[in-house]
Order: sequence, then structure tokens, then C-alpha cells
Amino acid sequence: QQQVKQSPQSLIVQKGGISIINCAYENTAFDYFPWYQQFPGKGPALLIAIRPDVSEKKEGRFTISFNKSAKQFSLHIMDSQPGDSATYFCAATLYNQGGKLIFGQGTELSVKP
Amino acid sequence: GAVVSQHPSRVICKSGTSVKIECRSLDFQATTMFWYRQFPKQSLMLMATSNEGSKATYEQGVEKDKFLINHASLTLSTLTVTSAHPEDSSFYICSARDALRTTYNEQFFGPGTRLTVL
Repeated sequence: QQQVKQSPQSLIVQKGGISIINCAYENTAFDYFPWYQQFPGKGPALLIAIRPDVSEKKEGRFTISFNKSAKQFSLHIMDSQPGDSATYFCAATLYNQGGKLIFGQGTELSVKP
Repeated sequence: GAVVSQHPSRVICKSGTSVKIECRSLDFQATTMFWYRQFPKQSLMLMATSNEGSKATYEQGVEKDKFLINHASLTLSTLTVTSAHPEDSSFYICSARDALRTTYNEQFFGPGTRLTVL
């Protein structure tokens, strides 16, 4: 119930292509869904986040699509660049649990020039 | 804004010794801080949640006597790994949340501390 399942585990995309990473959850009480980007040897950085009352959120080249009925959400990276090569984590959280984040397994993205 | 620092960034110690890692929120008051551990090619695993001035809440399977957490002020939390062993070698990351500033559960992460136990 508390799990967030993320796929794919790894992804290779050509420069300029679209990177798509998917996550699914079970607990319908989750109320905040952030995506984090992590470079090797660094801490995660918040990329973009969405609440379940919104179906889509776009910030620059990054878009979250949220399907509440399917309990799925995805990250789309448009015009992918080599600098986007990193590990991406989706997460979910419950406000009434003190903000504890439940992380997905991570996706290692490699953007080829 | 919302910067979290960690010190040290990297530490090597001998088996049996204790190591202290500091986590600081530089430009906001962290009402809650979280400590995570991350093994290579794996996701972040929450170890404990600490609220300023109270005892930390540890996740199931995390030894509270081995991983001592102190959150004595609104800008500083420390994680002490006691009697460290090679299997404690990992990447330790803290995050901080300002519940007074945001209605959402946004957490700001530190840069991490690489611990190597010989």
C-alpha cells in the first residue's frame, strides 16, 4: 500500500528526444507527488511536483502527467539533452504522516549526443 | 533559498569508531529533518524522522542505538554512526522541511555524506 513502483529502471534516449518515466501507486491518500533528479555523488534535487487535483503540470521542458483514476503519474522530458543524464526518482507523500516521502526505485537516464 | 548543507562530504573511518554527520538548513528553519541512506544504484531509504526538540522516530529495522540522531535546534540535526562497521559504508543524505512555510510536503535535500568504514 505504501509502495511507489517506478519504471523503467534505465532509459537511453537520443538528444532531442522525449524521455518518459512512469510511476504507479496504491495508496489513494497520497497528496503530493514530487520528482527528484540526482547526479552521481550528489543529493537529490526537486525537479517538479504535482498534487492529485491537477492532471498536468509543466515547467520548461519537464511535464508531469497525473492520472488519478489509474493511480499513475509520469515525467516527460522534452528535447532531452546530455545534461539531463541522471537518476530520476518519483515519490509520494502523506501530509498527515509528517511529510514522509515514499520513493520509487529510480530510473537511470542516459541521453546520447 | 531553501539550502541544506551537510558536513563532512566524505569521511573514512576505522571499524569500531564513531562518526558524526551534520545537517544544517542555511536559510530557513527546519521543523522536521529526515535522514536517508542510499546504497549504490539503489533508491533512498528513510532511516528516521526528527522534529526539533523531540526524539527521532526510526523506521522499522533501523537500530536507534547505532544511529543516534539529535535535532537540538531549528537549523541543525546530527547523525552519529556508533561503532561503525564496513556494512555501514553508504551515502547518507539528510533533508529538511519547513512546515511553517509550506502547506505541502516539500523537502530540501543536502548534498550527502559518503561514509567509508575500513
